[in-house]
Amino acid sequence: DQQVKQNSPSLSVQEGRISILNCDYTNSMFDYFLWYKKYPAEGPTFLISISSIKDKNEDGRFTVFLNKSAKHLSLHIVPSQPGDSAVYFCAARPTGSARQLTFGSGTQLTVLP
Amino acid sequence: GAVVSQHPSWVICKSGTSVKIECRSLDFQATTMFWYRQFPKQSLMLMATSNEGSKATYEQGVEKDKFLINHASLTLSTLTVTSAHPEDSSFYICSARDIHLAGAYEQYFGPGTRLTVT
Repeated sequence: DQQVKQNSPSLSVQEGRISILNCDYTNSMFDYFLWYKKYPAEGPTFLISISSIKDKNEDGRFTVFLNKSAKHLSLHIVPSQPGDSAVYFCAARPTGSARQLTFGSGTQLTVLP
Repeated sequence: GAVVSQHPSWVICKSGTSVKIECRSLDFQATTMFWYRQFPKQSLMLMATSNEGSKATYEQGVEKDKFLINHASLTLSTLTVTSAHPEDSSFYICSARDIHLAGAYEQYFGPGTRLTVT
């Protein structure tokens, strides 16, 4: 049972436009949500996170929105740049001592010049 | 930021041989390290959680006798793929957790190791 889902395996956006990556989760016992960015043949790098008690967190061009009632979060990138082309993973951290991240399946973002 | 290294970055080995992959936290102490595997165009699959000084906890379906994990110090964990077969070819990624950080992004990932078994 996949607790964190990214239903769009790929997304193409024109440079300068907004990229919106979506993520849904089924478990209410997550206290933090994170977005990681991954280039081919590299490990994921942390991008931005949001606590479950907030509904928005912004860092430069990146904004994450959390809708707890819908169990949905999204990552907005604006303006999108060709260097943003990568696989984006949504991850959730459960409450409690285990703290192992649960990852979504990833979305390949391609920003077209 | 915290840096995690992996060695080697890529390795080719013959079927039946064993391969060791090292994961090091360079500027912080990691009581817990995680080993992931990624198949092409798929998500990260957690293989095992490695705690310093104790036995690793393996996820369901992961053979502990095939994927040997040792976490002997606060900065080093190793994954040994024993008697490798072509189906073990994959991208292996480790991550480490800083015991001094309580923030959300407390896992730092290594750059990964590409294993090809011929």
